[in-house]
Amino acid sequence: QKEVEQNSGPLSVPEGAIASLNCTYSDRGSQSFFWYRQYSGKSPELIMFIYSNGDKEDGRFTAQLNKASQYVSLLIRDSQPSDSATYLCAPLGTGFQKLVFGTGTRLLVSP
Amino acid sequence: DTAVSQTPKYLVTQMGNDKSIKCEQNLGHDTMYWYKQDSKKFLKIMFSYNNKELIINETVPNRFSPKSPDKAHLNLHINSLELGDSAVYFCASSRGYNSPLHFGNGTRLTVT
Repeated sequence: QKEVEQNSGPLSVPEGAIASLNCTYSDRGSQSFFWYRQYSGKSPELIMFIYSNGDKEDGRFTAQLNKASQYVSLLIRDSQPSDSATYLCAPLGTGFQKLVFGTGTRLLVSP
Repeated sequence: DTAVSQTPKYLVTQMGNDKSIKCEQNLGHDTMYWYKQDSKKFLKIMFSYNNKELIINETVPNRFSPKSPDKAHLNLHINSLELGDSAVYFCASSRGYNSPLHFGNGTRLTVT
């Protein structure tokens, strides 16, 4: 079983729609969860983090966490073509400070 | 102001050579990392240093040797380069526990 699983996509949504990106993880001890966005040829950039069960909203982004189900998701409302990128889920592993990245979901937002 | 900077941005070299990648952060962070992103875009941790001390050493060939002269710098030296070493190497830093990583712009290494 992979430590972090994401659907590689591409996930195609029309402009203005809600994009839903999902992630499951295997380390039950993970307490912190980060979402990174990576444009092609660029470095990953942090867009959201969440520590507690439930929802956390920041602008057009909402992160959702369910530790019992070992599931974390990212919703992007009013998707824009500029949101087209790969989204990486990264739980913080137990023990040492180690982010374990999923393989990422490629999102395509069409005008 | 560049927060995490890596040099060089591109590195093309032949098999068997030895090369180094340098990384510096001006964020005042205590922890620095090297990650490798392969052709399938999978981002995998290689090493982590906290205040110049090695704290994470994943299953990486011992041809790879990190060095941290101070907590603002973390360099990566690679001996006897192989074709499979071709990837993008990212340096990152973080303030500490539960803190997000800040990535450098990456070094694209191509071994021919």
